Amino acid sequence: NAGVTQTPKFQVLKTGQSMTLQCAQDMNHNSMYWYRQDPGMGLRLIYYSASEGTTDKGEVPNGYNVSRLNKREFSLRLESAAPSQTSVYFCASRRGTQQDTQYFGPGTRLTVL
Amino acid sequence: GNSVTQMEGPVTLSEEAFLTINCTYTATGYPSLFWYVQYPGEGLQLLLKATKADDKGSNKGFEATYRKETTSFHLEKGSVQVSDSAVYFCAPSNYNTDKLIFGTGTRLQVFP
Repeated sequence: NAGVTQTPKFQVLKTGQSMTLQCAQDMNHNSMYWYRQDPGMGLRLIYYSASEGTTDKGEVPNGYNVSRLNKREFSLRLESAAPSQTSVYFCASRRGTQQDTQYFGPGTRLTVL
Repeated sequence: GNSVTQMEGPVTLSEEAFLTINCTYTATGYPSLFWYVQYPGEGLQLLLKATKADDKGSNKGFEATYRKETTSFHLEKGSVQVSDSAVYFCAPSNYNTDKLIFGTGTRLQVFP
């Protein structure tokens, strides 16, 4: 079991460029999440998907879009990157009930110049 | 709305010292409670959890008890090691949704 995998590990973009962060899980989990982590801010939820075919906004969705491609994959897209989106991005998955553990990927460190 | 408050860090301790990291939360219903740990350069991983009142979660010498009356889930360890240096996050689970509510994290630094 690879758990939750993310690609790429590092990325540098120029302002206005677009990119997609990929996430996949092999645990047959129903729910998947995208967070960003900034110094002193903890983790903030960007978007989540409670099941295949559904997505919902979290705390900080502006500037992002997501796609739940199938049960395994949940991608995060930045259409026009801004320096304020410089952050570490984590994907996570969970089987689906509030008692279940959420499993995290290793993260993507994104810098927008 | 639901929220969580953790003590500010960094917490700096000598090896073998006693550790407490306080966590209190506000939530509707009866959330499950989690402590996650993040080692430098890594993602978060589960440290321990408790799913109902008075449950005690434990792992790697760490413990936390679900205190419904005080809405707290304080993390303790009797004797910390240098390898425990990390950031610790308290996270209640929102009772009505699939979401975890993360605190800002508490950095622990343990010196030999």
